[in-house]
Amino acid sequence: GAGVSQTPSNKVTEKGKYVELRCDPISGHTALYWYRQSLGQGPEFLIYFQGTGAADDSGLPNDRFFAVRPEGSVSTLKIQRTERGDSAVYLCASSSGRGNTEAFFGQGTRLTVV
Amino acid sequence: ELKVEQNPLFLSMQEGKNYTIYCNYSTTSDRLYWYRQDPGKSLESLFVLLSNGAVKQEGRLMASLDTKARLSTLHITAAVHDLSATYFCAVTSGTYKYIFGTGTRLKVLA
Repeated sequence: GAGVSQTPSNKVTEKGKYVELRCDPISGHTALYWYRQSLGQGPEFLIYFQGTGAADDSGLPNDRFFAVRPEGSVSTLKIQRTERGDSAVYLCASSSGRGNTEAFFGQGTRLTVV
Repeated sequence: ELKVEQNPLFLSMQEGKNYTIYCNYSTTSDRLYWYRQDPGKSLESLFVLLSNGAVKQEGRLMASLDTKARLSTLHITAAVHDLSATYFCAVTSGTYKYIFGTGTRLKVLA
C-alpha cells in the first residue's frame, strides 16, 4: 500500500482480555516501530524491528506487551491481561532503514480498556 | 537520557500574526524532525533537519536547527486557521529511536 496501515482503527476491550494490533508497513521498508501515545502527550517508543528481529524492545512497559514480525513485513503488537492504563493510541511507523531514518506513521489504533 | 522539551505547550494566536515554537533537547542527536498532528489523526512529517544551521521552509512554516544550542525553532508566518493542530518535534537517539517532545497545541483564531 501507499502508506502504513493499522488495524483495527478502534478497539474496545474489557480489563483482563487479550488484544492484538496489526501494522502493515510501507512496502519495502525494513525498519518498523511501535509507539504509544497517551492523551495530550507525545508518542513514546515501545519497540523497533529491523527485518524480522526486535533490535530494541526497551520501551515495552512490562512483560504483558509483546510484538512480532515473523516475515519482516507485517507486525503484530500483543497485549495480555489488559489494564485500564493501557488505554492509548498505538502508532506504528516504518522507514526504509537504508541510511534514511525518516519514519512514516500509520493512523494508529485507539485502544480503550473498560 | 535524551529528553526533548517544547514550549509553549499551548498557543492561541490571531490570524495574520507571527509566532515561534521552541524545541530544546538534552544531548547530541543525529536528526531533528517536526511533525503535525490533527485531532484523531496520525503524524504528518513536516521537516527533517540534519545539520547545524539547517533551515527549511514550506508555505507559512519555517524550521531551523542550532545543534550547538540544542535548539530547533518552528516559525509561523501570518498564521491562518488551517494551521491549527498539534506540532511535535522529535530527535533520534542512535539511528532509529525517536524521542518526542510533549507537543505544542496551536489554535489560530479567525
